[in-house]
Amino acid sequence: GDSVTQMEGPVTLSEEAFLTINCTYTATGYPSLFWYVQYPGEGLQLLLKATKADDKGSNKGFEATYRKETTSFHLEKGSVQVSDSAVYFCALNDYKLSFGAGTTVTVRA
Amino acid sequence: NAGVTQTPKFQVLKTGQSMTLQCAQDMNHEYMSWYRQDPGMGLRLIHYSVGAGITDQGEVPNGYNVSRSTTEDFPLRLLSAAPSQTSVYFCATRSGSNQPQHFGDGTRLSIL
Repeated sequence: GDSVTQMEGPVTLSEEAFLTINCTYTATGYPSLFWYVQYPGEGLQLLLKATKADDKGSNKGFEATYRKETTSFHLEKGSVQVSDSAVYFCALNDYKLSFGAGTTVTVRA
Repeated sequence: NAGVTQTPKFQVLKTGQSMTLQCAQDMNHEYMSWYRQDPGMGLRLIHYSVGAGITDQGEVPNGYNVSRSTTEDFPLRLLSAAPSQTSVYFCATRSGSNQPQHFGDGTRLSIL
């Protein structure tokens, strides 16, 4: 079945560092891909999405490109802030939504 | 601007008790789902619905029942709570099969 594998954490960075969280997927069809973010004590919020190959999703300085040839959707941000500390989930949607295990990111001042 | 409302936010139960977690949405979305979140396991789908009167099992349905009598509401029932059901439960909705999910704030459930 469809599945998502994402980089295990936790990840600890200093402010202004570059962040990459790897995500690869397995799917039989042509799913949409998403990154969700969960701040402490809250539900998940959509961070960005891409609906077809080569699409680039972007939001709040985060970017991810839908790469069909490598079945990947890696999340990147060039300069992180303390407020980016959260858990990040990669997900694919091909009728049912499948989530990765989540990556905890902590940004230190 | 309520979106997805889950109640209660916190609950402690004894083993063997039953309870219903409520989920209500005001976005007129057809698709609704229940997930549980456990450390290191991401979100796992319990049950989902693609419209009023239609429900189906997800990845981890055992011990849970659902019903969907209206578009707005999708309650999750624990018939006989077990400690393994201690988790954070999230309800989510979406407007179409390929659209992003909108999540509630979660219910934190502890089974003693």
